[in-house]
Amino acid sequence: GAVVSQHPSRVICKSGTSVKIECRSLDFQATTMFWYRQFPKQSLMLMATSNEGSKATYEQGVEKDKFLINHASLTLSTLTVTSAHPEDSSFYICSAQGQPVYNSPLHFGNGTRLTVT
Amino acid sequence: TQLLEQSPQFLSIQEGENLTVYCNSSSVFSSLQWYRQEPGEGPVLLVTVVTGGEVKKLKRLTFQFGDARKDSSLHITAAQPGDTGLYLCAGAAGAGGTSYGKLTFGQGTILTVHP
Repeated sequence: GAVVSQHPSRVICKSGTSVKIECRSLDFQATTMFWYRQFPKQSLMLMATSNEGSKATYEQGVEKDKFLINHASLTLSTLTVTSAHPEDSSFYICSAQGQPVYNSPLHFGNGTRLTVT
Repeated sequence: TQLLEQSPQFLSIQEGENLTVYCNSSSVFSSLQWYRQEPGEGPVLLVTVVTGGEVKKLKRLTFQFGDARKDSSLHITAAQPGDTGLYLCAGAAGAGGTSYGKLTFGQGTILTVHP
């Protein structure tokens, strides 16, 4: 089945540094990927929609300059948390949509646990 | 903005009991999906329901989509400790374009099944 690889699975960084998270579709092309944030024991909160070759669409309240998204190829989207602060600590999950979009399920990565110290 | 109200938020039961999780909305969804998530992992798709009134069964799990495609339920029969996890419902707004995969998630139900 379709697999989405997310890397790294865990990262610890110091406050003020930037962290890049990768989301790769391993055996299918994904024109659209989604980035979510999840707090402990809570549901997924959509942060942004990543579109290959164009700018990402951010949900209301999500700072686009804080969470930089790049979708440079049909198999890779990256989320960069810039100038990270402890409140950015969270579980970040990506999902990728196969083709055709109207008839393809979403495939989720295994998430990245970010801890900012 | 579409909202999905999922209940209950927490469920703690004994092995062998039955349970039902509900997702309700005032909005119509083109499809509704149910996921199960383990701690530290991504959600795993259990089922997608598309047609109003549809019922799907996956072993001891029964999923139902409301006739008006505004609500759904997940029923687990004879729950086992291995069923423990976070269950999420998610609705898709419409077909076509990049909005198709933009899911609205319910708040989640943390299920604990005690041996």
